[in-house]
Amino acid sequence: SSELTQDPAVSVALGQTVRITCQGDSVRSYYASWYQQKPGQAPVLVIYGKNNRPSGIPDRFSGSTSGKTASLTITGAQAEDEADYYCYSRDISGNHLVFGGGTKLAVL
Amino acid sequence: QITLKESGPTVVKPTQTLTLTCTFSGFSLSTSGVGVGWIRQPPGKALEWLALIYWDDAKRYSPSLKSRLTITKDTSENQVVLTVTNLDPVDTATYYCARQNVGIDGYYQYYYMDVWGKGTTVTVSS
Repeated sequence: SSELTQDPAVSVALGQTVRITCQGDSVRSYYASWYQQKPGQAPVLVIYGKNNRPSGIPDRFSGSTSGKTASLTITGAQAEDEADYYCYSRDISGNHLVFGGGTKLAVL
Repeated sequence: QITLKESGPTVVKPTQTLTLTCTFSGFSLSTSGVGVGWIRQPPGKALEWLALIYWDDAKRYSPSLKSRLTITKDTSENQVVLTVTNLDPVDTATYYCARQNVGIDGYYQYYYMDVWGKGTTVTVSS
């Protein structure tokens, strides 16, 4: 089982705001990074650090952390945001890294 | 431009050893703070982190697979190699390599993979 826990599926109406969460003890010590993966494609980094977006990622994507929960927020979700989203961080118990189990986002 | 590309066999028999090569360009694995990691994804399932090698040759492995994995680098050739021993059909997956970075923001460290290869599909079957 993953040391980072994500909800398996989340849905959002077109243009509305959605928050995808990632829970784990490691989040208290390390910021999570977030990846978007569309079918048949490699993952793409969307958020890293406290709240940093790589070049080319729309500003509707933002990240935050509170306690043991990291969140990815999409403000004004678009149809093209429908994808799987994964969080990633260093495990609190060792030197290895770990992904969350992923959240499938449906944009209705 | 930073690119990574995975290569290796597409079909491997059970109990055999898989050797995958990640060939990269646009950055150096001798730069402090940089690493290259391997990740896999079985069909229809989640991403699974496998292993990571840093610029200083430090290596990290998934605890559940550590006994079967070896990661090495050839800095002059810009390559990172992952071997997986004693293959089983459950190892059937798309295998990705990606550049790993580490950052610090105040009290917190953070880890992220900013550039990924397109992945290579490996099927374990007799």
